[in-house]
Parts: sequence; C-alpha cells; structure tokens
Amino acid sequence: TQLLEQSPQFLSIQEGENLTVYCNSSSVFSSLQWYRQEPGEGPVLLVTVVTGGEVKKLKRLTFQFGDARKDSSLHITAAQPGDTGLYLCAGSYNNNDMRFGAGTRLTVKP
Amino acid sequence: SQTIHQWPATLVQPVGSPLSLECTVEGTSNPNLYWYRQAAGRGLQLLFYSVGIGQISSEVPQNLSASRPQDRQFILSSKKLLLSDSGFYLCAWTIAGVRETQYFGPGTRLLVL
Repeated sequence: TQLLEQSPQFLSIQEGENLTVYCNSSSVFSSLQWYRQEPGEGPVLLVTVVTGGEVKKLKRLTFQFGDARKDSSLHITAAQPGDTGLYLCAGSYNNNDMRFGAGTRLTVKP
Repeated sequence: SQTIHQWPATLVQPVGSPLSLECTVEGTSNPNLYWYRQAAGRGLQLLFYSVGIGQISSEVPQNLSASRPQDRQFILSSKKLLLSDSGFYLCAWTIAGVRETQYFGPGTRLLVL
C-alpha cells in the first residue's frame, strides 16, 4: 500500500514570508500533482511533475520533484493572503493507483 | 471549454434518509468520472470511479453506491444515511485513460444529523 504524507499539516505565516511544504511517499511516483483548495470549493490543479529532479515555476510558486521521484516540495516566495488555502499533493503510481495526501493548510496573515 | 457541475451545494439530512448527489460534465466526451469524500482535516478518499456508462468501480466498501446512467452524468446514492456519511463530496473528471490531472467540481457539503 502506497503511503503519501504531507508536512506540515498546518502553517500560519505573515504576508511577505517564504515557505516550503513537503510531500513524501514510501513508493516511487510515476507523476505527481499539486492542487490548491479554497474553503467550500473543489481542488484546482496547479502543476504536474513527471521527471525526477524536475523544477517548475508558476509565478511565486516553485515546485520540485525529487531525483528518486519519491518526494516533492512546493516553495512560495513572498506569500500573500491570496495564497491561503489547502495545498494537496496527489501521486500516481505505476500500477495506475493514485493517492491524495491529507494536505497542508496554509494561512497567510496580512 | 469543459465544466463540471455538482448539486446540491449543501445538504442536511436525517439519519436513515436516502441520498442522491448529482454530477454532470460539459464540453467533453467519454470522460472518466470519480466520486471522492473529504473529511475535515483529511485528504480525499476515492469512493467510486467510472470509465463508461454503467461501469462502476468501488474503492472501499461502504453505505454508498454510484451509477452512471449517461456518459456525462455520475450519481452518488444511499438508501439509508449514517452519521459517518457526513463530509464534503467531490466529483472529478479526467480524460479517458488518464487518471492524473483531475478536474474537480465545486463539491457538496453533506451533514447527516
């Protein structure tokens, strides 16, 4: 059974600070997705990474996929209140299984 | 462009009552469809997925059932709700054969009292 863990579970920071959240698995991912979910809404896809060591940037967000494809990180530079939300990672495995992490709930205070 | 709808947005039901949640997708054909439940502070738990009309796969044994009467319609049902059925229910779709890159609906908040 593949396990997918996200850390930290909660994160509260001031506007302008930088932060990093993590997603780790006990198994190798074939691909990994990051989503952001706002309260009362469905998750929205931010990025998909598929290659070990891959780095993708989306404005102030930087996504990194580990060389061994078992972990990923999301770094936000100069966080803004609009970044507040639940950040979910979802990993796909070679057996066509897909798992979501429990998420990191981020609060950015103005 | 593709859109996905869910209704109702919020539902309060007594224990033992039936349930029917509906999900429809527009702008695509033959999508894979998924039902998830999200409990407070927890990740998404896949309940059912469907690769075509009348084809339903269940991920976990439970009090719920799903049906796909039309290509772009996915229904989540229960004959008798339990307190533990409370949660946030999300429908999602993907391109046929591609399980990654899921597009989610707005969700239905279900409270069973």
